[in-house]
Amino acid sequence: DAEITQSPRHKITETGRQVTLACHQTWNHNNMFWYRQDLGHGLRLIHYSYGVQDTNKGEVSDGYSVSRSNTEDLPLTLESAASSQTSVYFCASSGSGRGFNEQFFGPGTRLTVL
Amino acid sequence: GNSVTQMEGPVTLSEEAFLTINCTYTATGYPSLFWYVQYPGEGLQLLLKATKADDKGSNKGFEATYRKETTSFHLEKGSVQVSDSAVYFCALIGSGGSYIPTFGRGTSLIVHP
Repeated sequence: DAEITQSPRHKITETGRQVTLACHQTWNHNNMFWYRQDLGHGLRLIHYSYGVQDTNKGEVSDGYSVSRSNTEDLPLTLESAASSQTSVYFCASSGSGRGFNEQFFGPGTRLTVL
Repeated sequence: GNSVTQMEGPVTLSEEAFLTINCTYTATGYPSLFWYVQYPGEGLQLLLKATKADDKGSNKGFEATYRKETTSFHLEKGSVQVSDSAVYFCALIGSGGSYIPTFGRGTSLIVHP
């Protein structure tokens, strides 16, 4: 069965360190997304990609970067982790075309920045 | 821009009670509408969807009807179970070619035995 996975599931790091969160999907979807979920803020879009070599900023992209070198993976990098980036991070993917654009979410990565 | 408004939670019900979670939206054209559910410690998963006016999405006993005239997509279930306790998100994707959904803030449902 197709799936979307994230790793690690839990991560503790220190302020100033670079951190990379992995996202891998086997749906063969063109569209991939990164969100963070915080109490009181709901889901907020960090970055998204509509295909290989395509990346775009979302509403809360400062301090984050992504790269898309193949269809399956969209790693999220925190260049210099800050305590404000403590959150739960979700990766999602979706197909294209009306009726096929619902999102499939990964299980999430809980990141703590000390 | 697009927006989705959900009722504030938490919604607390006894098992076998009737559930309604209200969702209204603002969007131009004919958006696609979705309900997602998030169980504790998990990612969101699609519960149901509707892509045109008067469509009814249904799954696992949940239903929602796309009402263009009232710009609403209320979620209903006739008899909730303890296992339905979760956070429910209403969302839309606009008809303008973007694949970025607009999510509501989520409504927490707690079902007591």
